[in-house]
Parts: sequence; C-alpha cells; structure tokens
Amino acid sequence: NAGVMQNPRHLVRRRGQEARLRCSPMKGHSHVYWYRQLPEEGLKFMVYLQKENIIDESGMPKERFSAEFPKEGPSILRIQQVVRGDSAAYFCASSTTRDRIGNTEAFFGQGTRLTVV
Amino acid sequence: QKEVEQDPGPLSVPEGAIVSLNCTYSNSAFQYFMWYRQYSRKGPELLMYTYSSGNKEDGRFTAQVDKSSKYISLFIRDSQPSDSATYLCAMSPNAGNNRKLIWGLGTSLAVNP
Repeated sequence: NAGVMQNPRHLVRRRGQEARLRCSPMKGHSHVYWYRQLPEEGLKFMVYLQKENIIDESGMPKERFSAEFPKEGPSILRIQQVVRGDSAAYFCASSTTRDRIGNTEAFFGQGTRLTVV
Repeated sequence: QKEVEQDPGPLSVPEGAIVSLNCTYSNSAFQYFMWYRQYSRKGPELLMYTYSSGNKEDGRFTAQVDKSSKYISLFIRDSQPSDSATYLCAMSPNAGNNRKLIWGLGTSLAVNP
C-alpha cells in the first residue's frame, strides 16, 4: 500500500507563473488536507477536501490559491501568479475519516518544495 | 507571542542518552497534544498522541502533559542515530480536528554514534 504521493518533489517557478502541486492520497483515503511549512512559521493548515468537495478553506490565502479533489485523480493545489513569498514546502495529508486525529491519524506525503525565483 | 513555543535547537546528544524535548503553550483550551517526527525532506509522522494531562508511554518514547504549567514533553530513552530528526509538537482544543492543530516550529535532534 503506497503512502501519500506528492509530485513534483521540487518545483521551481519564476514570479508570475503558475504552480500546480499534486497529491494522491493513500488507497482508501477520501479526505485530504494541504499544509504549508515555512521555517519561521511552522506548519499551517490551508485547506481540507473530500472528493469533489471543499470542506474548509479557511487557511487559504484569499487570492491566487485554489484547491480541488476531483472524483478521479489526485488533489491539486494551484497557485497562480506566484511570488517569492510563496516559496515553501507544501505538504498533503490524507485520512480515512473526517477530521480524526490521534487514533485515526492523517498520513503525510513527502512534500513539494516550491522555489519562486 | 506564539501560541506554541518550541526551542529549535539543534540538540546534539551521544547515542544512548535520554533526550528531553519540550513545548510550552499559552492557550488553556488545548486538550489534545501530539508529537510528530519529521526526517529531513520528508513529511511529519505521528509519534505520540495524548489527551489532557498525564503520561503516555510507547516503547522508548514517553509523552508528558502538564496542563497547569502549559508544558508538554517528549522523552526518548536509549536514543539511537535513527532518532535524528526534527520533532514537532502540535495541539488542538478539540478532538477530531486536524484543521485546528497549532504546530510548534520543531526541535532538531542529532544523535551521534
């Protein structure tokens, strides 16, 4: 059973370009979370999705960022018109059930490191 | 002031040492406390999960929560080079809500053979 797969592992974009980050959850997991990790800020929740539904996007910046989790295929985090401040590690996590921590943990992928030049 | 404070280290210990990692927090509503381990260039993985105050032991790892002092600890006994990683604390006011986790910045640990 493969773990949470994220690709690409590293992504370099010039300012103003678009970045598309992909996350395939673990088999049988239908809940996906996206987090951003910055050295000086730690992990921050961005968005929580189920198949075809955005459940909570309270952590997403109001502009340029969007996420989807279609019926088929991976979850996508899309950043339009990237700026230097978007450079960070973006992690996806998946779980089997809604909003469970501890006994039903969310498993993290290896992350995508976005560098905006 | 951050809601969760964690000394970033780095902490360097010899193999076999007892390691103590700590976090302090300011929000008395936090009830659920977690420790994650993150190897370099990898995602975090859950190590320990505790509710409210008290101790929890799992193999070489012991998690302690002191809500009166707003202080949590992770102890690693007989530390191994494979324990070298960044340890993140995370906490939440309510159960079953990954979205509400507040994370520490992590403490970098190096266990030297």
